[in-house]
Amino acid sequence: GQNIDQPTEMTATEGAIVQINCTYQTSGFNGLFWYQQHAGEAPTFLSYNVLDGLEEKGRFSSFLSRSKGYSYLLLKELQMKDSASYLCAVSLDSNYQLIWGAGTKLIIKP
Amino acid sequence: NAGVTQTPKFRILKIGQSMTLQCTQDMNHNYMYWYRQDPGMGLKLIYYSVGAGITDKGEVPNGYNVSRSTTEDFPLRLELAAPSQTSVYFCASSRPGSSNQPQHFGDGTRLSIL
Repeated sequence: GQNIDQPTEMTATEGAIVQINCTYQTSGFNGLFWYQQHAGEAPTFLSYNVLDGLEEKGRFSSFLSRSKGYSYLLLKELQMKDSASYLCAVSLDSNYQLIWGAGTKLIIKP
Repeated sequence: NAGVTQTPKFRILKIGQSMTLQCTQDMNHNYMYWYRQDPGMGLKLIYYSVGAGITDKGEVPNGYNVSRSTTEDFPLRLELAAPSQTSVYFCASSRPGSSNQPQHFGDGTRLSIL
C-alpha cells in the first residue's frame, strides 16, 4: 500500500525557523510536492523535488532523500501569515496522480 | 485570470438526493481531478481525466460519476447522497508534459448530507 506520514501539528514562534518532515513508502516515485493550505481555502503549490538535495525558494526550502523516503519543508523568518496546513504529496506515475499526506497544521505564535 | 472555478461553494442535501458539482478551468489543462478532503485526512482522489472523453477511477470512486465532454469542464455527479459523502470537494487541473507540473485547485465545495 501507499503511505505518507507527517506530524499532525507543530507550533513555532514568529521570526523563527521550522522544519516540517514527510516520510513516504510508495509503490512508485515520480517526484514530491509541497502545498500550503490556509483554513477554509484551496491548497496552493509551494515546491517540487524529484532529485536528492535542497531546493531553495525565498523563505521556503524543500529537501528530498529518495533512498530514505524522506522530505522536509523548511520555513525561515516565520510570519503570522504562514499559519496554515502544509501538505506533502507523492507523484506515483506518469498520469500524475498524487498520494497525499494528511497535512501538518502549523501554528505561529507572536 | 479565473483558473479553476467550482460551483456551488456550499450545499446541504438530504439523504437520497442527487446533485452535480460543477468544475471549469480556463487554462487549457488536459488533466483534471476531483478530490474529497475530510477533517484530519489527506486529499483522496475520486476520479481523474487526462483529456476530453477520457475518465478513470481514483481511490474512492464509489457513489460518484464524472464526465468530460470538453477540455474545460469536469462535473462530478452524486446520484444517491449518503451521510458518508459529507466532505469538502476540490477540483484541480494540471498541464501534461512532465511530472513537475503542479495541480491548480478550485476553492472547493462544502457539502453536507443530512
